[in-house]
Amino acid sequence: DAKTTQPPSMDCAEGRAANLPCNHSTISGNEYVYWYRQIHSQGPQYIIHGLKNNETNEMASLIITEDRKSSTLILPHATLRDTAVYYCIKTYSGGYQKVTFGTGTKLQVIP
Amino acid sequence: EPEVTQTPSHQVTQMGQEVILRCVPISNHLYFYWYRQILGQKVEFLVSFYNNEISEKSEIFDDQFSVERPDGSNFTLKIRSTKLEDSAMYFCASSEDLVSNTEAFFGQGTRLTVV
Repeated sequence: DAKTTQPPSMDCAEGRAANLPCNHSTISGNEYVYWYRQIHSQGPQYIIHGLKNNETNEMASLIITEDRKSSTLILPHATLRDTAVYYCIKTYSGGYQKVTFGTGTKLQVIP
Repeated sequence: EPEVTQTPSHQVTQMGQEVILRCVPISNHLYFYWYRQILGQKVEFLVSFYNNEISEKSEIFDDQFSVERPDGSNFTLKIRSTKLEDSAMYFCASSEDLVSNTEAFFGQGTRLTVV
């Protein structure tokens, strides 16, 4: 069975970069890597996604390895508001966006 | 910024009662979803809906659950006879159709408490 691996928890000092890793045991050529986060019990929030190139938006950067099985989400200057559970998901881009959540990484940003 | 809205934010109901959770997806979106999150557990997919019919459902979505798009803006989840174990946060989401790069937009959830 395909498996996604993320560390269960990480700490990051406020103002520093947070680097959250993710590994997929398998990923097909047309599956994208998506990242979502959930702050406390709020609705999950989309962060970024990519296929094989590195991506950057106003929230984060995404680094994807050449075999696409590993990715790293980078929050360049973590703030206390970034404390959340971060989910790495693989899915197909476009239209149908069923999200299958795992257990994610609980990021604690420390003052 | 467009958003998915859910009402009510908190619903308390007695076991065996029917509840309807309401969602207004983003206006140009055509895929709709319901998820639930039992306290302390992960977010679980319940059902997806497209073109006025269910496109996919999980094993959780049994006969006591139903979804409907009663008009052009609302998307509802009905639980016919609630059980204690239905207590959870229920999230509605929506996504665009025929867009190469898109994501799911989630509402803030309805906390359902069955007593």
